[in-house]
Amino acid sequence: AQKITQTQPGMFVQEKEAVTLDCTYDTSDPSYGLFWYKQPSSGEMIFLIYQGSYDQQNATEGRYSLNFQKARKSANLVISASQLGDSAMYFCAMREPQGGSEKLVFGKGTKLTVNP
Amino acid sequence: DTEVTQTPKHLVMGMTNKKSLKCEQHMGHRAMYWYKQKAKKPPELMFVYSYEKLSINESVPSRFSPECPNSSLLNLHLHALQPEDSALYLCASSQDRTGPDYGYTFGSGTRLTVV
Repeated sequence: AQKITQTQPGMFVQEKEAVTLDCTYDTSDPSYGLFWYKQPSSGEMIFLIYQGSYDQQNATEGRYSLNFQKARKSANLVISASQLGDSAMYFCAMREPQGGSEKLVFGKGTKLTVNP
Repeated sequence: DTEVTQTPKHLVMGMTNKKSLKCEQHMGHRAMYWYKQKAKKPPELMFVYSYEKLSINESVPSRFSPECPNSSLLNLHLHALQPEDSALYLCASSQDRTGPDYGYTFGSGTRLTVV
């Protein structure tokens, strides 16, 4: 069963406007972590923001904030004041335990295009 | 040093070749990962090493052979690959899961083409 769902294959936003990228997740573990990564065409995975399941406040990192709604199991990424350099693939991911270790499981991603 | 370094950045190999991908980190992370990413798809986990021991193998074909010589180094040995194995191979590392902040750091990847 899919653990991370990103329903927006592609999103467009005007430069300087805000955009929200959706992410829902499914887990029965009370302790979990959610991540957002940016992947430009060059291929590197750039860490943006992290939200722990027990964190009381929504995570923020500069222009990035995470709208964490635990009851709805959603962790949407909000990018404020979009810039042309924000054009990239964005992946939501969840840390998942497996056999005493753990792994990061990714959603299918959203391709964001920022228009001038 | 807050980086994961992967070499080479690009690799073209024939189906009968043997090659290796290398990944190195000096952040003291105790878990290291290999992911495979096909074009327009999310990364898919291949292997996890925890404290230099293989802890997860996601049913990867034996033509991919991981090796963790020490806590800073992770290799992926390739032999008799198929054209469908062409992909971006990403290495990542993370702190011990009991640590206070165990994020994942990724390398910039190796773009592999099998001809």
